[in-house]
Amino acid sequence: EDQVTQSPEALRLQEGESSSLNCSYTVSGLRGLFWYRQDPGKGPEFLFTLYSAGEEKEKERLKATLTKKESFLHITAPKPEDSATYLCAVRSSASKIIFGSGTRLSIRP
Amino acid sequence: DARVTQTPRDKVTEMGQEVTMRCQPILGHNTVFWYRQTMMQGLELLAYFRNRAPLDDSGMPKDRFSAEMPDATLATLKIQPSEPRDSAVYFCASGLDSSGEKTQYFGPGTRLLVL
Repeated sequence: EDQVTQSPEALRLQEGESSSLNCSYTVSGLRGLFWYRQDPGKGPEFLFTLYSAGEEKEKERLKATLTKKESFLHITAPKPEDSATYLCAVRSSASKIIFGSGTRLSIRP
Repeated sequence: DARVTQTPRDKVTEMGQEVTMRCQPILGHNTVFWYRQTMMQGLELLAYFRNRAPLDDSGMPKDRFSAEMPDATLATLKIQPSEPRDSAVYFCASGLDSSGEKTQYFGPGTRLLVL
């Protein structure tokens, strides 16, 4: 059964304290792994798409990596404005899309 | 700055009433997705269209939910009759589904409360 698990559920960091969020997945025929950021009361905002193991993408303080079983979202020297829920999703070869439950990230000044 | 738009943003209705939510995908996108988000279940895919044709609506309760795309600029999600358990935020997303690009862009959502 296709499944996406994100950890931790919640993460509190001090401003400038780097860390990583994990997205573990099992899917039949990966057709893409997606990272989104969601602020309260808003729709998910697209961050990255990764398609194959070994691929990496960066945007400002965020870097996403992908292996055959999991993806990491690394956040370097975070700022309070990086506080949000980060969602991971996978798309299978059958075009099924499954979202994880998200990681709530809080950055203290 | 192209965006997905959704109306209404908020809807309060009574159990048994019909609810219609509308979505305008980004111009040029050929896929449209409807999602439901609740605290308990997270984001769930309800239905998925490509080139206006429904490809997958297995996540949608068939007896009361229906999704259509009357034209390329409008997607609708209807609930009839609505029930309190339908209370959630409903998101529409669109994308350009080519061989190398599968990204979806989300609208702001419709917050539905069924009393």
